Amino acid sequence: GDSVTQMEGPVTLSEEACLTINCTYTATGYPSLFWYVQYPGEGLQLLLKATKADDKGSNKGFEATYRKETTSFHLEKGSVQVSDSAVYFCALIYSGGGADGLTFGKGTHLIIQP
Amino acid sequence: EAGVVQSPRYKIIEKKQPVAFWCNPISGHNTLYWYLQNLGQGPELLIRYENEEAVDDSQLPKDRFSAERLKGVDSTLKIQPAELGDSAVYLCASSSTSGRQYFGPGTRLTVT
Repeated sequence: GDSVTQMEGPVTLSEEACLTINCTYTATGYPSLFWYVQYPGEGLQLLLKATKADDKGSNKGFEATYRKETTSFHLEKGSVQVSDSAVYFCALIYSGGGADGLTFGKGTHLIIQP
Repeated sequence: EAGVVQSPRYKIIEKKQPVAFWCNPISGHNTLYWYLQNLGQGPELLIRYENEEAVDDSQLPKDRFSAERLKGVDSTLKIQPAELGDSAVYLCASSSTSGRQYFGPGTRLTVT
């Protein structure tokens, strides 16, 4: 079946450091890919998405590029802030309609120290 | 616009007791999802509704779990009887025809 693998956490960085959280997937077709973020005490929020190969999703300074050849969707940010501390989930939907359930990775806890 | 509402936010029960979670989706969203999130894991789909019809319940443990969405709006997820391993966060999400899923804050269940 479809699956998502992302790097284990916690990831601890200093403020203004560069961030990369790795995500790879296995799917039998061409899924849409997502990054969700879960801030402490809050629900999951969509951070960014990409629906086809070579698409780049971006939001709040975060970026991720859909790499079909490496089946990857790594999350990057050039300069992190303390407010970016959260748990980040990579996810996919394998459906043309987009109404199916998401398949999530295990999540990566990001801690940004001032 | 109000988001997805879930209640209760927290629930502590003893094993073998029943428990129910409630979800009210965003107005106009026909698709409703229930996910299970174990500690340190990503959410896993339990059941998906299109209006009042359950169109994907293959991951729902039907011996003890049940769900309903009688009028195609709010939904209830029930566990009877609860087991220690059911301790987790139960997430509800909804989507419109665009497919983007909006998540509620979840219900954290602790079974003692």
